[in-house]
Amino acid sequence: KQEVTQIPAALSVPEGENLVLNCSFTDSAIYNLQWFRQDPGKGLTSLLLIQSSQREQTSGRLNASLDKSSGRSTLYIAASQPGDSATYLCAVPSGGYQKVTFGTGTKLQVIP
Amino acid sequence: EAQVTQNPRYLITVTGKKLTVTCSQNMNHEYMSWYRQDPGLGLRQIYYSMNVEVTDKGDVPEGYKVSRKEKRNFPLILESPSPNQTSLYFCASSPLAGLQFFGPGTRLTVL
Repeated sequence: KQEVTQIPAALSVPEGENLVLNCSFTDSAIYNLQWFRQDPGKGLTSLLLIQSSQREQTSGRLNASLDKSSGRSTLYIAASQPGDSATYLCAVPSGGYQKVTFGTGTKLQVIP
Repeated sequence: EAQVTQNPRYLITVTGKKLTVTCSQNMNHEYMSWYRQDPGLGLRQIYYSMNVEVTDKGDVPEGYKVSRKEKRNFPLILESPSPNQTSLYFCASSPLAGLQFFGPGTRLTVL
């Protein structure tokens, strides 16, 4: 069974800092990996999808990398802003791409 | 506007009273899924569907039913709700192996 872990569980940084969020998974036979953000009391917003054949995916200040062999993905946020404050979740399919397992999330606070 | 809609957004009900939470997407996605989110347990998949008339269990299917008679709709049915089904429910859709889009969530309380 796929297990997904995100470290750290919470992170507080001053505005402007670059930061890295980590996602580890146990079953490396994955089709893709997706990163989301969730604002308090709100739904999930898709950030990036990395296909298994890719190593990186970029969107604006966000860059996600994927290393299937080591079972790891990182989300890099450049020049963090208070508006980046949210919980960040990674999600990994298993058993093909049908069943999806979410990580436990990293709660990020960017302090002005 | 491309979106996933869920109704109702909030629901308070009593134990044993059958209910349905609707989910609809307008992006012609093949894949649809239901999740529940609970404090300390995170998001867990209930059921998913890869296309019309094709559904399968996720990690926590007990007490739930789904159907996929049309591509755009994927209702979640609780035949006899119990208090341990009090949760925040999300519906999502995507192309096969593609980016998932989530609905706004349904907050269910079962008394």
